[in-house]
Amino acid sequence: AAGVIQSPRHLIKEKRETATLKCYPIPRHDTVYWYQQGPGQDPQFLISFYEKMQSDKGSIPDRFSAQQFSDYHSELNMSSLELGDSALYFCASSTRTSGGPVYNEQFFGPGTRLTVL
Amino acid sequence: AQKVTQAQTEISVVEKEDVTLDCVYETRDTTYYLFWYKQPPSGELVFLIRRNSFDEQNEISGRYSWNFQKSTSSFNFTITASQVVDSAVYFCALSEARSGGSNYKLTFGKGTLLTVNP
Repeated sequence: AAGVIQSPRHLIKEKRETATLKCYPIPRHDTVYWYQQGPGQDPQFLISFYEKMQSDKGSIPDRFSAQQFSDYHSELNMSSLELGDSALYFCASSTRTSGGPVYNEQFFGPGTRLTVL
Repeated sequence: AQKVTQAQTEISVVEKEDVTLDCVYETRDTTYYLFWYKQPPSGELVFLIRRNSFDEQNEISGRYSWNFQKSTSSFNFTITASQVVDSAVYFCALSEARSGGSNYKLTFGKGTLLTVNP
C-alpha cells in the first residue's frame, strides 16, 4: 500500500540558509499535518491543511511557512535557519474526519532529518 | 488545553519481563482519542493502537495490552514477555475532536525510553 512520502530524507544546511521540505500524502488523503521533533523531544504539531486551506496552527515559528497544493502535496519552507531548527520533521496525512465515533487515522511519513550547522 | 504526561522517562527490563508504560492525560473535551506510538532507533513513528473516549473496553493484541480508565484519565500500555526488539521510545498521544472536522492534531507525551536487555 502507498505510504506518505517525504523528501528529502536527510538535509544539511548552514545557519541563515533556507530549506524546503516536501510531503506527498497517501492518494485520496486531503489533510496534511506537519510535526517537528527535536533531539530527545516529543513531536510537536506545527501546522495542518485541509483542502489546500490552513486548518490549524501550532508552535510554528514566523520564519516557517507552509502550503498545500492542488495535488494535495505540501511543502514546509524554512528561512533564516537556526541551530535549534535541527530536528526530525514528520508529515502525516489523513482523510477528513468529521467528528463523532469515526476517526480517520493519521499516517506518518518516515520523516526528514534536518541538520543545521 | 490538552496535555499528556508520561511520568516514566526511562525503563530498563530484562528480556521476558512484563513492563507497563504509564500515561495520564488532560482534556476538556468529552470526545477524544488516545494513541500509543513506538519510535525505534531508526526514527519512524509506528502506530500501535487508538482508543476512543466512549469505548473503555480494554484490549489485548498478542503481547500488547492496554488499560483505558476514564475515571483516572489513564491509558496504560503493557508489554508481556518483553523482547529486545521492543526497545524503543514509546509515545502516548491525545487528539481532541473538533466540530467541523479536519483538525485532529496530536499532542504527544514526552515519551518513555524502554530498554530490554538480553
